[in-house]
Amino acid sequence: KAGVTQTPRYLIKTRGQQVTLSCSPISGHRSVSWYQQTPGQGLQFLFEYFSETQRNKGNFPGRFSGRQFSNSRSEMNVSTLELGDSALYLCASSLDRTNTGELFFGEGSRLTVL
Amino acid sequence: AQSVAQPEDQVNVAEGNPLTVKCTYSVSGNPYLFWYVQYPNRGLQFLLKYITGDNLVKGSYGFEAEFNKSQTSFHLKKPSALVSDSALYFCAVRDVRDDKIIFGKGTRLHILP
Repeated sequence: KAGVTQTPRYLIKTRGQQVTLSCSPISGHRSVSWYQQTPGQGLQFLFEYFSETQRNKGNFPGRFSGRQFSNSRSEMNVSTLELGDSALYLCASSLDRTNTGELFFGEGSRLTVL
Repeated sequence: AQSVAQPEDQVNVAEGNPLTVKCTYSVSGNPYLFWYVQYPNRGLQFLLKYITGDNLVKGSYGFEAEFNKSQTSFHLKKPSALVSDSALYFCAVRDVRDDKIIFGKGTRLHILP
């Protein structure tokens, strides 16, 4: 069974631009969560989607948004990029929303903002 | 508010020695606790979880963790460290109010040959 796939793996943008990251969960998984990983802050929760609905949102500005499609694939978008948005963005999928089980992570999309 | 703390940014252990990576938590109600590992340039991998039952939980790669309710701790342990255990380790707790999984800032484990 294929794992969580994130694209692109690496990208470089300049301040003010916008970026869209994609995540394909494990087949059959309906919950997708996004995290931002930086050296100083560890993993910070961005949002979670389940059955095309945003179920949870972290403490990030409105420049960060996401969506989930009917096939459970998810995208996140960051508009008006800032230098501080440089990070590894991780997507994780799980079978459902009980969260008694584990999250399955992709390898991440590393964003550099110049 | 629910939170998880990893008090050590880095832990150094000689190969063959026992290792401990510390984690403390603060939650409302019964905690759901997790450990994940991240190897260089990779995503996180699940190691083990505590939901209920025995306080000693066994996981992947010979790791185990001990749940201590009185000390609100969930330390990760391994009896004999391997160089290949060198990685970044994250403790996580489920926020029962909204099902978010909150991660600590991570502890970098260095196993010295």
